[in-house]
Amino acid sequence: DAGVIQSPRHEVTEMGQEVTLRCKPISGHNSLFWYRQTMMRGLELLIYFNNNVPIDDSGMPEDRFSAKMPNASFSTLKIQPSEPRDSAVYFCASSQRGGREQYFGPGTRLTVT
Amino acid sequence: GQSLEQPSEVTAVEGAIVQINCTYQTSGFYGLSWYQQHDGGAPTFLSYNALDGLEETGRFSSFLSRSDSYGYLLLQELQMKDSASYFCAVRDTTDKLIFGTGTRLQVFP
Repeated sequence: DAGVIQSPRHEVTEMGQEVTLRCKPISGHNSLFWYRQTMMRGLELLIYFNNNVPIDDSGMPEDRFSAKMPNASFSTLKIQPSEPRDSAVYFCASSQRGGREQYFGPGTRLTVT
Repeated sequence: GQSLEQPSEVTAVEGAIVQINCTYQTSGFYGLSWYQQHDGGAPTFLSYNALDGLEETGRFSSFLSRSDSYGYLLLQELQMKDSASYFCAVRDTTDKLIFGTGTRLQVFP
């Protein structure tokens, strides 16, 4: 299995631009999680889906952030408009529902200038 | 609120034993997980405790005391490659993971 796939691996954009991060979970996993990691705030859960349905989005910072999971093999996290404080590494992870282990993708390093 | 506390940094020498403690306060609790993250890498799963007691996986062991809201990760026979950050994470009743702030372990020769 290829593991969780994220794209792009690196993104540099200017303030005000729209950013879209992509994730392909491991086949057969029905839970998907989006995290953000910064030095200041550590590893924060932004949103998670079960069977493509958003279950908890309480970690989404504000309305500029949105996430979708149109099918079991694809999810997006969108930031519009982006701001410098959004600079972070964004991880996607997947697991089987009730599974004890989450499998993380390699992350997308986002820099907003 | 939910909070997890763990030391920010630990240092040790090769071959030594290190214990990384984690205390937690959460509104719901299913179990305690541990993840390892090397610089520039992604978190990877190490262990999970749902019940009180010790779980052993090779050189790594993890312990949980639910009554004390406390757990630890024990790393034995330390190797240079164990230098990384280690995160405890509470799995709550909705299947979310709430991560601690991480402990940076530096292993010296």
